[in-house]
Amino acid sequence: EAGVTQFPSHSVIEKGQTVTLRCDPISGHDNLYWYRRVMGKEIKFLLHFVKESKQDESGMPNNRFLAERTGGTYSTLKVQPAELEDSGVYFCASTPGHRPDTQYFGPGTRLTVL
Amino acid sequence: QKEVEQDPGPLSVPEGAIVSLNCTYSNSAFQYFMWYRQYSRKGPELLMYTYSSGNKEDGRFTAQVDKSSKYISLFIRDSQPSDSATYLCAMRSYNNNDMRFGAGTRLTVKP
Repeated sequence: EAGVTQFPSHSVIEKGQTVTLRCDPISGHDNLYWYRRVMGKEIKFLLHFVKESKQDESGMPNNRFLAERTGGTYSTLKVQPAELEDSGVYFCASTPGHRPDTQYFGPGTRLTVL
Repeated sequence: QKEVEQDPGPLSVPEGAIVSLNCTYSNSAFQYFMWYRQYSRKGPELLMYTYSSGNKEDGRFTAQVDKSSKYISLFIRDSQPSDSATYLCAMRSYNNNDMRFGAGTRLTVKP
């Protein structure tokens, strides 16, 4: 069974540019989460999808961040325009609906904003 | 004050040692407690999951939760070099999928 995959693994962009991160959850997992780890800080929750619906987006830092999950499969997280403080590692995790604590994490996308 | 406090280490032990990793927390609503292991350039991997207070054992790993003290621990017996990784505690409250993570403790087990 394929795990959670994320693309790209690393992205370097300049301040003001746009970046789109992609997450492919494990097939059949309705729940999809985005997290972010800024250098030196703990992993922080960004948002939670159940299928294509946003269940909780309380962790999204501001309106420069837009997450979508069309069709309830893969998800994208767009940052537009990117700022220096957006640098960090963005993780995606997925889980079947009946096991919310068994979250399977992807390898993360390391975003560097110069 | 952070909701979850975890000593970032680094922690270095010889092979075969017993390792003790700990987290404290401030939110008494937390009911579910997890320990994740993260190797370099990889995503966190769930090691142990505990509901409410008590102990849970899985092979060389034992997780303990003391809700009265708001303190959780992970013990690793007979530590191996392959246990070298960052260990993250995480927790959440009932009916809330927003997990709160500790900063992670970097562990090195030397052969």
